[in-house]
Amino acid sequence: NAGVTQTPKFRILKIGQSMTLQCTQDMNHNYMYWYRQDPGMGLKLIYYSVGAGITDKGEVPNGYNVSRSTTEDFPLRLELAAPSQTSVYFCASTNRGISYEQYFGPGTRLTVT
Amino acid sequence: LAKTTQPISMDSYEGQEVNITCSHNNIATNDYITWYQQFPSQGPRFIIQGYKTKVTNEVASLFIPADRKSSTLSLPRVSLSDTAVYYCLVGDTGPNTGFQKLVFGTGTRLLVSP
Repeated sequence: NAGVTQTPKFRILKIGQSMTLQCTQDMNHNYMYWYRQDPGMGLKLIYYSVGAGITDKGEVPNGYNVSRSTTEDFPLRLELAAPSQTSVYFCASTNRGISYEQYFGPGTRLTVT
Repeated sequence: LAKTTQPISMDSYEGQEVNITCSHNNIATNDYITWYQQFPSQGPRFIIQGYKTKVTNEVASLFIPADRKSSTLSLPRVSLSDTAVYYCLVGDTGPNTGFQKLVFGTGTRLLVSP
């Protein structure tokens, strides 16, 4: 299993541009999450999904959108990028009912200038 | 979600035992205590989770006193590769819980020197 994969690894955006961060997991996990981590800080939950077709907001959802059309994929959309969205983005998944452990992807480092 | 307090940083030397204590005075009855490890430029990695008393796995031990208002992560005989940030999280992440939401604080930066 590849686990949780994220693309791209790095990206530089100009203010006002949009992009989609991709996240895929091959562990058939039902729960998936998006976090952001600012320098020297802990992770903050942006959005989460408890299954295909079901998503909900986390702590810091403004400026982001998500969709979950399949079990495997959970893309994060940034609309009208702002410098405040410069951060490292982590996707994670877990298999509720089986385990409490969250598996994290390698992250996407995004810079908005 | 219960707030946690842990030291900002700790220093140790190779071969020593490291104990990182986390305070969680407002822990709820259904809350579990979970520890994650994060290396630079990587996502966090699960280390251990417990509810009460002591839990041990191949990586670490977790000690939880009877009042559960604190917990201690113990790393035996650390090596340079244990240099990382360690996060203590408290939440309702038990086996019968539906949604599992984790709140990460700023963690404890452990530096292991030769």
